[in-house]
Amino acid sequence: AQSVTQLDSQVPVFEEAPVELRCNYSSSVSVYLFWYVQYPNQGLQLLLKYLSGSTLVKGINGFEAEFNKSQTSFHLRKPSVHISDTAEYFCAVKIVQTSYDKVIFGPGTSLSVIP
Amino acid sequence: DTAVSQTPKYLVTQMGNDKSIKCEQNLGHDTMYWYKQDSKKFLKIMFSYNNKELIINETVPNRFSPKSPDKAHLNLHINSLELGDSAVYFCASSHKRGWGDTQYFGPGTRLTVL
Repeated sequence: AQSVTQLDSQVPVFEEAPVELRCNYSSSVSVYLFWYVQYPNQGLQLLLKYLSGSTLVKGINGFEAEFNKSQTSFHLRKPSVHISDTAEYFCAVKIVQTSYDKVIFGPGTSLSVIP
Repeated sequence: DTAVSQTPKYLVTQMGNDKSIKCEQNLGHDTMYWYKQDSKKFLKIMFSYNNKELIINETVPNRFSPKSPDKAHLNLHINSLELGDSAVYFCASSHKRGWGDTQYFGPGTRLTVL
């Protein structure tokens, strides 16, 4: 079975500082990897995703993530955060199989940007 | 234009009542989903439909019944509401089943059972 771990439930960081949100997954088969962001009182929206190819993936709002197969990780990074980045961030995995449709979300990391 | 819309946004009701949440997507997607997000923000899939066909049915009480009249709509009906049903329910859609497609989420329906 697949699972997703986000070790940090809360990450406070000062404005303009860099941030890394950690994500590790467990799967015996190939997976697609996603990061979604949920702003307060809103639905989730995609930040970036890894399907194949280059392991460094760039997303919206200056975020990027690196897929590391040997460490089964997909950590999210931003070199300089803004107040508007305060939100809940979810890492997710989906099996690479055409008949399989289930996305498994991690428990989320709450990013708080301090002015 | 809103891509994935849900109604109502808020729903407050008494235990034992029956309620419905509606979801519509105008993206032309084939696949739609219902998720439940609990008070700790944990997000779990409940159902998934592909072209009106149920393809994922997680361990959800049978008081929850999804209905897809066409591939643009996926409604959720809940019978005999219980306190533990209080949560935010999200509808989502994606282009094709089984690929690395982005899921597009609605704004959520906050259900409070008193």
